[in-house]
Amino acid sequence: NAGVTQTPKFQVLKTGQSMTLQCAQDMNHEYMSWYRQDPGMGLRLIHYSVGAGITDQGEVPNGYNVSRSTTEDFPLRLLSAAPSQTSVYFCASVSPTSANEQFFGPGTRLTVL
Amino acid sequence: AQKITQTQPGMFVQEKEAVTLDCTYDTSDPSYGLFWYKQPSSGEMIFLIYQGSYDQQNATEGRYSLNFQKARKSANLVISASQLGDSAMYFCASSRSNYKLTFGKGTLLTVNP
Repeated sequence: NAGVTQTPKFQVLKTGQSMTLQCAQDMNHEYMSWYRQDPGMGLRLIHYSVGAGITDQGEVPNGYNVSRSTTEDFPLRLLSAAPSQTSVYFCASVSPTSANEQFFGPGTRLTVL
Repeated sequence: AQKITQTQPGMFVQEKEAVTLDCTYDTSDPSYGLFWYKQPSSGEMIFLIYQGSYDQQNATEGRYSLNFQKARKSANLVISASQLGDSAMYFCASSRSNYKLTFGKGTLLTVNP
């Protein structure tokens, strides 16, 4: 099992550019989430999904889109990048039958100039 | 909405000593989970321990234990016999549903030799 994988590991964008952060898991988890981590802020939930075709907003969804066409993949799209979106992005997945551990990906460090 | 407060931005402990990292939570949900994650300087999120709100006993995982005091809404992490490798950022988190975590701002633990 590769667990939760994220690509790319690092990315630099210019303001206004768009890009997609990729997230995939091979554990057949129904639940997947995206978080962002800013200095001194901890992790904050952007979007989440409880299964293929079902997504919902978290605490800080503005500027981001998601879709879930398969159980395995949960991409995060930045439509028009802004410097305020400079952050480290983590994808996570968990089984609905598990009460506890979320499995986190290694993160993507994004810089928007 | 849930809220997590970690009042210790940084903590120092001598190797082989025990250390307690504080966490208080605020939620109106009758059922919830409490989590601790470790983030070393390499950046990955490592699950440490989980406590359910209805669990009668405090959770333990090896050198980690969670001191759960429901009436005080506290969920402190106790690390026994600290090791140099314990130096990291530690995050407390809560969740009404296990795919939507609310994180605190973290405590940076430094273990001195």
